[in-house]
Amino acid sequence: SAVISQKPSRDICQRGTSLTIQCQVDSQVTMMFWYRQQPGQSLTLIATANQGSEATYESGFVIDKFPISRPNLTFSTLTVSNMSPEDSSIYLCSVVASLETQYFGPGTRLLVL
Amino acid sequence: DQQVKQNSPSLSVQEGRISILNCDYTNSMFDYFLWYKKYPAEGPTFLISISSIKDKNEDGRFTVFLNKSAKHLSLHIVPSQPGDSAVYFCAASASTSGTYKYIFGTGTRLKVLA
Repeated sequence: SAVISQKPSRDICQRGTSLTIQCQVDSQVTMMFWYRQQPGQSLTLIATANQGSEATYESGFVIDKFPISRPNLTFSTLTVSNMSPEDSSIYLCSVVASLETQYFGPGTRLLVL
Repeated sequence: DQQVKQNSPSLSVQEGRISILNCDYTNSMFDYFLWYKKYPAEGPTFLISISSIKDKNEDGRFTVFLNKSAKHLSLHIVPSQPGDSAVYFCAASASTSGTYKYIFGTGTRLKVLA
């Protein structure tokens, strides 16, 4: 299995500011995703982080709001831009080892005031 | 449109008994299914998977059953232990999409009573 770390683990931010979340994997992986889990809700896919090219965003998510970088096969960042209280959520990165296994990081708990 | 549904938001079971968590899906193209356990303030932990070529997969105390005709899968935990108390998510993917993207259900909170 892959070991995934995220920074920061939690943060409290003021509205209008931006936060960049880092995701580091202990091995090279092809597929990396960013998810959001809003309070009391399921996990929603934000985007696929593509190495060397622009991320692929799901319906309802745009690059201006959630810019993503993937400079190599072990690292990715997600920025939550111009934050509002509605962005308060847990943000998770995940990696795919195979069609039958997908691993998640510990998550970043964000509270926007 | 919720393609993956977990209709029971919560479940309580006595320690030592069987826990059965259910999941229904609507997309007939889904052919890979995962179950995750999630504790508060942690990321989801992968538990067990099943592909549509099987109807059962077992790993220790965890067994997943797949009924393709009913578009239904279930996770059985036997015997249930207090440490199993967590939120359980099922997730589904269509391999033909080539994207490895999974759609998650809304979760079932399991409480195992000592």
